[in-house]
Amino acid sequence: NAGVTQTPKFRILKIGQSMTLQCTQDMNHNYMYWYRQDPGMGLKLIYYSVGAGITDKGEVPNGYNVSRSTTEDFPLRLELAAPSQTSVYFCASREVSNQPQHFGDGTRLSIL
Amino acid sequence: DAKTTQPPSMDCAEGRAANLPCNHSTISGNEYVYWYRQIHSQGPQYIIHGLKNNETNEMASLIITEDRKSSTLILPHATLRDTAVYYCIVRRDSNYQLIWGAGTKLIIKP
Repeated sequence: NAGVTQTPKFRILKIGQSMTLQCTQDMNHNYMYWYRQDPGMGLKLIYYSVGAGITDKGEVPNGYNVSRSTTEDFPLRLELAAPSQTSVYFCASREVSNQPQHFGDGTRLSIL
Repeated sequence: DAKTTQPPSMDCAEGRAANLPCNHSTISGNEYVYWYRQIHSQGPQYIIHGLKNNETNEMASLIITEDRKSSTLILPHATLRDTAVYYCIVRRDSNYQLIWGAGTKLIIKP
C-alpha cells in the first residue's frame, strides 16, 4: 500500500529556475495539503485542496502555485526559485473531517 | 485555532513510560487535540487524537484533563525507535489547517 508518494526525494535548483514537486495518493482522499518545514521548525501550510478542481491558500503561499485536476494528484509548482524556498516539502492527504492526515516522505529542495 | 505549549525536549529511559505534556489553555469546545511525531525528518506520523475523553490505541494513550486545558501523551513502554519530535496540535473539526509548533524532542536512552 503506497499511501502518499512524493517525487523527487532530493533536488538542487539554481535561482530563477522552476520546477514541479509531485504528490500522488492512492487512498481516494478528497483533502490534500502541501507544507514546508524549515530546520528546527514545525510545518507551515502552503496550499490545500478539498477536492478535484478546488484549491486554496494556506499560511505561506507566495512563490508557489498548485492545481488539482484529479483526486489522486496535487502538484506544487515553483515558478522562480529563490534561496528562501530552500526547505523540506511535505504533501499530506486525509479522508474526511476529523480523520488524521497521512504524510509523504518529503522532498528536500535546495536553491543555490 | 488554540495555541499549544510543549517543552522543547525530554529524556526517558528505554522500557519506561514516556509522558509528554501539552498545554492548550485557550482550547474551544469543538477543538480536537492531535498528536503526531516526526522521526529523522521523515514525514510526520499520526499517533492519536481526542476531543474530551481519554483515548488509547496500539501506539499510545491520550489523557485530556477535565477542563481540556492540557493533555498528556503516554508511550507506555518507550523504545529507542520512539526517539522523535512529538507535536501536539489543536484543531477545530471544520478547520482545514493544522497549526504546527516546534514540538518536543523526545530522546529515549538505553
